[in-house]
Amino acid sequence: SQQGEEDPQALSIQEGENATMNCSYKTSINNLQWYRQNSGRGLVHLILIRSNEREKHSGRLRVTLDTSKKSSSLLITASRAADTASYFCATDKYGGSGGSNYKLTFGKGTLLTVNP
Amino acid sequence: GAGVSQSPSNKVTEKGKDVELRCDPISGHTALYWYRQSLGQGLEFLIYFQGNSAPDKSGLPSDRFSAERTGGSVSTLTIQRTQQEDSAVYLCASSSGTSYNEQFFGPGTRLTVL
Repeated sequence: SQQGEEDPQALSIQEGENATMNCSYKTSINNLQWYRQNSGRGLVHLILIRSNEREKHSGRLRVTLDTSKKSSSLLITASRAADTASYFCATDKYGGSGGSNYKLTFGKGTLLTVNP
Repeated sequence: GAGVSQSPSNKVTEKGKDVELRCDPISGHTALYWYRQSLGQGLEFLIYFQGNSAPDKSGLPSDRFSAERTGGSVSTLTIQRTQQEDSAVYLCASSSGTSYNEQFFGPGTRLTVL
């Protein structure tokens, strides 16, 4: 099964509301990242949280990480219509080489729709 | 600066034909990844190149799929004898290969096999 699994699969909210998306994973990780994808094309990196961090902020984004529960959440505050996109979490499992042998495993994403 | 570029942006081919998809990573990035995304699905890892190390091919779905990375830069993903189930968006990403491993994605190639 997927290393990272987001829920809900789809979320529809009104502009100005907050949106919360969750991600669960199965094995120990080094980092967890969130990406956004518009219109089924390239992904854009949003934020990275390391395994020894519990919370991180970037603008209207807030990410939490609970390694004991193997879960993360992405909160978008004061949502805008332009936030409409699919959001993916990606886990970075340490490759063990001691250097740069990392790869990401992506979940299936949450489709967020922000209605004006 | 230039980001990751991919070509072609769209490719329509007939079943049984071979196709080549190209990826130009960000200059200086040592890591390069190929993913496949079917409609409404997440990203499926295909192959990973890191510097001069042997590539991680664990995600290639069959021996019809292969990829090369020449000179540590440009990469080509080749699909031989395409099948309809190969239809998907093929995404390439590169990263600096540091421990933070933020990946920068290209716009993708949408492959349609008729």
